Amino acid sequence: GDSVTQMEGPVTLSEEAFLTINCTYTATGYPSLFWYVQYPGEGLQLLLKATKADDKGSNKGFEATYRKETTSFHLEKGSVQVSDSAVYFCALRVRGNQFYFGTGTSLTVIP
Amino acid sequence: EAGVAQSPRYKIIEKRQSVAFWCNPISGHATLYWYQQILGQGPKLLIQFQNNGVVDDSQLPKDRFSAERLKGVDSTLKIQPAKLEDSAVYLCASSSSGIYNEQFFGPGTRLTVL
Repeated sequence: GDSVTQMEGPVTLSEEAFLTINCTYTATGYPSLFWYVQYPGEGLQLLLKATKADDKGSNKGFEATYRKETTSFHLEKGSVQVSDSAVYFCALRVRGNQFYFGTGTSLTVIP
Repeated sequence: EAGVAQSPRYKIIEKRQSVAFWCNPISGHATLYWYQQILGQGPKLLIQFQNNGVVDDSQLPKDRFSAERLKGVDSTLKIQPAKLEDSAVYLCASSSSGIYNEQFFGPGTRLTVL
């Protein structure tokens, strides 16, 4: 069935370090892919999305490229800040407007 | 644009009691979702509505959970009777019908079952 597998956390980085959070998916057809972020005490927010192969989603310095050949959508940021500390969820959307979420990766950035 | 509204924000009940959650989606959004998010896990879809019809309720524990979306707008999710393992955050989300559209989430209701 359709599913998302995310890199397990927690991840702890120093400020200005490079971030990669791995995400791979299994889906039939042509899913859309998303990264959501959940800041402490807040609800889920869309961070970025990509709707077809080779698309790159970007927002707030974060990027992810939809790789159909490797069924991946890894999240990257070149220089993290303390304010990026949050839980990050990879998700896919398939036919019928159905969404599947990964288990989340907790990121803590220390000054 | 107003976001997805949910109430209450917090609820504490004892096991075997009943509880209901309310959700008001973004105006014009035809699709409404209820998710259960247990601490440390990703959201798990409980039920998905398209207007007032159910699209997917395969993971809804129907012996104790029920949901409705009358008139295709607001929705309520009920648990009766609650169990300890129902302690979680219940998230409501909505999306419009375009194939590339994302979901917008409400703040969630944190349920604690004692």
